[in-house]
Amino acid sequence: QKEVEQDPGPLSVPEGAIVSLNCTYSNSAFQYFMWYRQYSRKGPELLMYTYSSGNKEDGRFTAQVDKSSKYISLFIRDSQPSDSATYLCAMSGVNRDDKIIFGKGTRLHILP
Amino acid sequence: DGGITQSPKYLFRKEGQNVTLSCEQNLNHDAMYWYRQDPGQGLRLIYYSQIVNDFQKGDIAEGYSVSREKKESFPLTVTSAQKNPTAFYLCASSPQQGRYTFGSGTRLTVV
Repeated sequence: QKEVEQDPGPLSVPEGAIVSLNCTYSNSAFQYFMWYRQYSRKGPELLMYTYSSGNKEDGRFTAQVDKSSKYISLFIRDSQPSDSATYLCAMSGVNRDDKIIFGKGTRLHILP
Repeated sequence: DGGITQSPKYLFRKEGQNVTLSCEQNLNHDAMYWYRQDPGQGLRLIYYSQIVNDFQKGDIAEGYSVSREKKESFPLTVTSAQKNPTAFYLCASSPQQGRYTFGSGTRLTVV
């Protein structure tokens, strides 16, 4: 079983829809959970950063972590064509030497 | 503005040639990283450095070398020993676990 699993997509949704992106993981030591957004031919940018379980909201974006199910989600409300990008989940343990494990990314297309 | 600058944006390498990718940051971050990104493969860690004059191998270090002589700079050399170097290379820095700031990347192509 891979440490982090993420559906590569592509996922196509109409403008204005709610988007749900997900990752599952196997390592129960993960405590930091991140979502990065990457536009084509650009470097990823940090979108959401959470510690342990729970929800975090930032504008149209909500990150959820369910450690009991080893499942994390990113919700995008009122999706816009500018949200079209690849979304990478990432996670790590708490120790300084713990490596960040990235998912392979989900390609998202918002259709005008 | 603070950030990470990678150069060049595009780089072409001939067979048997070493090339060096530049990464400079003015964020005052201690930790810096090099990743390689291939289609369908996700991000793979090449090397990382948590402090000046110290660095560790990542998951795919063979055929690559780095140095960290200054806090701001973490250049990556792709040597002739790297048999399949064509990829998108990303440099990142971090002040704490997981909070990466990435550069805009260098696309390396073997010609």
